[in-house]
Amino acid sequence: AQKVTQAQTEISVVEKEDVTLDCVYETRDTTYYLFWYKQPPSGELVFLIRRNSFDEQNEISGRYSWNFQKSTSSFNFTITASQVVDSAVYFCALSEAKGGTGNQFYFGTGTSLTVIP
Amino acid sequence: DSGVTQTPKHLITATGQRVTLRCSPRSGDLSVYWYQQSLDQGLQFLIQYYNGEERAKGNILERFSAQQFPDLHSELNLSSLELGDSALYFCASSTSDTQYFGPGTRLTVL
Repeated sequence: AQKVTQAQTEISVVEKEDVTLDCVYETRDTTYYLFWYKQPPSGELVFLIRRNSFDEQNEISGRYSWNFQKSTSSFNFTITASQVVDSAVYFCALSEAKGGTGNQFYFGTGTSLTVIP
Repeated sequence: DSGVTQTPKHLITATGQRVTLRCSPRSGDLSVYWYQQSLDQGLQFLIQYYNGEERAKGNILERFSAQQFPDLHSELNLSSLELGDSALYFCASSTSDTQYFGPGTRLTVL
């Protein structure tokens, strides 16, 4: 079973539309971390956000916002007023602590977002 | 610029060969992680080192090995290479639970 599921493989939106990228995770740990990363066409992986399992507050950073709901094991990402520069593949990831300083990471398959001008 | 460096950027080799990928973490980061990104497998966690010691292991093949040196740089060794090992290999470093990724090494096995 997938630890992290990103059901949306590809999404296309017109510039200035809002878009939400879904992420569903699976873990039995009580302490874990969730992440979103952006991979633009240039290929590098850019960290966007980390959220720990004890903090369910939604977070907003500029046009980006994240909705973490433990009840549905989801950590969704919304881009408001999308721009062409938002075109990229977005990965959701889960980190499970493995004792001491060890962390096991699991990535979703990514959602490719295309923003059409 | 994440502060994580990886060399080489590109590597082309033949099946059966052995290669070494190098990663220098951000200054002060004690953890180094290795990932493989391929079209069919996606992003896969391979292994984590913390201050020179192996801390967590993911889907790393027995033909692959890694180590972290006293100066905290890390090397990923890939041996008996197969066509399917062609991929982008990322290194990331962290001190807390936030990872910062290097630009990656693109390995092509012919």
